[in-house]
Amino acid sequence: GAGVSQSPSNKVTEKGKDVELRCDPISGHTALYWYRQSLGQGLEFLIYFQGNSAPDKSGLPSDRFSAERTGGSVSTLTIQRTQQEDSAVYLCASSGGGAWETQYFGPGTRLLVL
Amino acid sequence: RKEVEQDPGPFNVPEGATVAFNCTYSNSASQSFFWYRQDCRKEPKLLMSVYSSGNEDGRFTAQLNRASQYISLLIRDSKLSDSATYLCVVMGGANNLFFGTGTRLTVIP
Repeated sequence: GAGVSQSPSNKVTEKGKDVELRCDPISGHTALYWYRQSLGQGLEFLIYFQGNSAPDKSGLPSDRFSAERTGGSVSTLTIQRTQQEDSAVYLCASSGGGAWETQYFGPGTRLLVL
Repeated sequence: RKEVEQDPGPFNVPEGATVAFNCTYSNSASQSFFWYRQDCRKEPKLLMSVYSSGNEDGRFTAQLNRASQYISLLIRDSKLSDSATYLCVVMGGANNLFFGTGTRLTVIP
């Protein structure tokens, strides 16, 4: 079946602009995660959605970052007033249940802020 | 202190060699542990979970040492296709996963 998909695959933007990144999880997966991977860094947890529960936003680095998950499926990560340090690969993952279940990652969105 | 720490490497080993990676974690209450593999410019993929009793999958063996708070991955008879970055992953509180920075392995012909 289809895996996790993300769009766009690449995004170049100017400093100060807003960007939206989209994630389509595997159908039926209740858990959805956003991570960020900067050059030479490990994966950094950003936000976690589980079913209809309030999301865990503890990993968001600033209030410029927000995410929504509509209808328990598609998720959008929004970065407002982008900064150069926001340049990274943004990865989305989904799993069938709790975090202890296998997470399937999307191909990522490579964001470059000029 | 970081939640998860790994030696970034690189580890350059000849084909057929045995190589081992360690990873330490800071939260003694962590319950779940994983090794992920990430190829260059690709997304991470689960390699194996790490069980308390240790587990083996073909040429790969994972071990957990709770007393010393580290996990290990052993790769026997290295293949060229094993070249990748290996990420140590620990499940912390609130069902969050914490990733190490990864250990880069290059298997040389």
